[in-house]
Amino acid sequence: GDSVTQMEGPVTLSEEAFLTINCTYTATGYPSLFWYVQYPGEGLQLLLKATKADDKGSNKGFEATYRKETTSFHLEKGSVQVSDSAVYFCALRIMNYGGSQGNLIFGKGTKLSVKP
Amino acid sequence: DVKVTQSSRYLVKRTGEKVFLECVQDMDHENMFWYRQDPGLGLRLIYFSYDVKMKEKGDIPEGYSVSREKKERFSLILESASTNQTSMYLCASMRLTNYEQYFGPGTRLTVT
Repeated sequence: GDSVTQMEGPVTLSEEAFLTINCTYTATGYPSLFWYVQYPGEGLQLLLKATKADDKGSNKGFEATYRKETTSFHLEKGSVQVSDSAVYFCALRIMNYGGSQGNLIFGKGTKLSVKP
Repeated sequence: DVKVTQSSRYLVKRTGEKVFLECVQDMDHENMFWYRQDPGLGLRLIYFSYDVKMKEKGDIPEGYSVSREKKERFSLILESASTNQTSMYLCASMRLTNYEQYFGPGTRLTVT
């Protein structure tokens, strides 16, 4: 079945370091892909998304490119800040019909801590 | 901005109690979801609803039920709370035009 695998954390970086969080997926067809972020004490919020191969999603300095060849959607940021400390979830949208067409499958999350 | 609210941020209940978790969204979204979040397990779907009075089981429905009597409100019910239901519960809603899910702040439930 469809699944998402993302790198395990926690990840600890110094401010201004380069960030990569790996995400790979297994799915039937070509799903839409998402990154969600959960700041401490809050619910998840959408960070970025890509709906087809080679699309690049970007937001708040974060980027991820939908790579069909490698079934990957890695999250990157060139220079992290303390305020980026959060848990990051990769997700894919199930491509089917009927009531469950909007359902997401989430990875287990990667906790990022950025030190000053 | 879309707003999804949950009735409580923190809740402590005793084993065997009936527990109600309420979720309300203000953007006329068709689909609503209940997840539980546990360390190392990520988010797991409990139930979802794609219309009023419609509900479908997710991946871990055992021990839970749901109710959707109005479009904006989706309730999660623990019929007889158990300690293994201690968790963070997240509600989400989604409009079918863009398939983006919007989450509430979560309810941290402790069952003692």
